Amino acid sequence: DGGITQSPKYLFRKEGQNVTLSCEQNLNHDAMYWYRQDPGQGLRLIYYSQIVNDFQKGDIAEGYSVSREKKESFPLTVTSAQKNPTAFYLCASSIVPGGYQPQHFGDGTRLSIL
Amino acid sequence: QQPVQSPQAVILREGEDAVINCSSSKALYSVHWYRQKHGEAPVFLMILLKGGEQKGHEKISASFNEKKQQSSLYLTASQLSYSGTYFCGTESANSGAGSYQLTFGKGTKLSVIP
Repeated sequence: DGGITQSPKYLFRKEGQNVTLSCEQNLNHDAMYWYRQDPGQGLRLIYYSQIVNDFQKGDIAEGYSVSREKKESFPLTVTSAQKNPTAFYLCASSIVPGGYQPQHFGDGTRLSIL
Repeated sequence: QQPVQSPQAVILREGEDAVINCSSSKALYSVHWYRQKHGEAPVFLMILLKGGEQKGHEKISASFNEKKQQSSLYLTASQLSYSGTYFCGTESANSGAGSYQLTFGKGTKLSVIP
């Protein structure tokens, strides 16, 4: 079955450490997105990519970095510059960029600070 | 700027109806609706494009009033499976050239009880 796979499901970060969240899709979608979800805040866009080797900052990109070397993969690195990384992180994809196509979400990664 | 959803929370008995509203201060291209159950990925419900159309299937439908920048989600004869948090995501006309961002509201928590 096609879908989006996020790993790990739970992740713990030590102070000063960078961690990378994996997102892989086999839907052959061009566009991919990373969202952060905090309780009562909805989903906030961190980064998005419309095509391989291209990505743009979302509303809360500070302290995060991404790469898009393959169509299927869009990993997110939470750097030590992100002072409040505890949140639920969701990866999504859509056939093409834009609001005319639905976004399909992975099951998320829950990140906590040790 | 996030769209504003109302109400923040609602409790229904099985079989009752509910309306969830989503309002934006910006002109909109499209409105998405998603439902998320606790700890799970958001699931796509429907997209509405500017033009005031109404869409739906079975007992869940939605409308989009382009002039008022508002969308409403209608749930009729609610079932226990409708419980979850409903998010609207909006694509606005002035997100910036080449921008394909969805901005999500904070969500409406719907609880259906027997």
